[in-house]
Amino acid sequence: KQEVTQIPAALSVPEGENLVLNCSFTDSAIYNLQWFRQDPGKGLTSLLLIQSSQREQTSGRLNASLDKSSGRSTLYIAASQPGDSATYLCAVAPLTGTASKLTFGTGTRLQVTL
Amino acid sequence: DGGITQSPKYLFRKEGQNVTLSCEQNLNHDAMYWYRQDPGQGLRLIYYSQIVNDFQKGDIAEGYSVSREKKESFPLTVTSAQKNPTAFYLCASCNAVQTEAFFGQGTRLTVV
Repeated sequence: KQEVTQIPAALSVPEGENLVLNCSFTDSAIYNLQWFRQDPGKGLTSLLLIQSSQREQTSGRLNASLDKSSGRSTLYIAASQPGDSATYLCAVAPLTGTASKLTFGTGTRLQVTL
Repeated sequence: DGGITQSPKYLFRKEGQNVTLSCEQNLNHDAMYWYRQDPGQGLRLIYYSQIVNDFQKGDIAEGYSVSREKKESFPLTVTSAQKNPTAFYLCASCNAVQTEAFFGQGTRLTVV
């Protein structure tokens, strides 16, 4: 059974710092990996989707990498801002099946301080 | 403006009551999902549907029921058999080809 782990569970950084969030998964037979952002009491917002054949994806100050063989993904946030404060979740979709049935990590709660 | 709409945002249930959470999407996605989120835990899959008139149980389906009569709609009923229903419920849909998932804004259910 797929298990997804995110470390650290919480992180506090000063504004402007670059940071890395980690996501690891136990079964490398994945179709894709997706990073989400969740603000308190809100739904999930998709940030980046990496297909299993890709190594990384970039969107603005965000860069996500995928190393399927080692079961790891990282989300790099450059020049962090207070507005980046949220919980970040990663989720993997299995290789089998026609539609994604995601397995989620428990998230990293990020606080960016002034 | 495409997206997923969940209603209501907050819902209160008395003991022994059934309640229904609404989820509507206008993204023309085939697949729809219901997840439950509890503090300190990852999202857990309740039910999912890949096509109209068909759905499958997820990891924690006991005490829940769904229907998929229209492509756009996937309502979730929390029955009285669900002993611990207080949680945040999230509906999602995805394009079966790209499998990128999109989520609604959630419904917070509280037992009173």
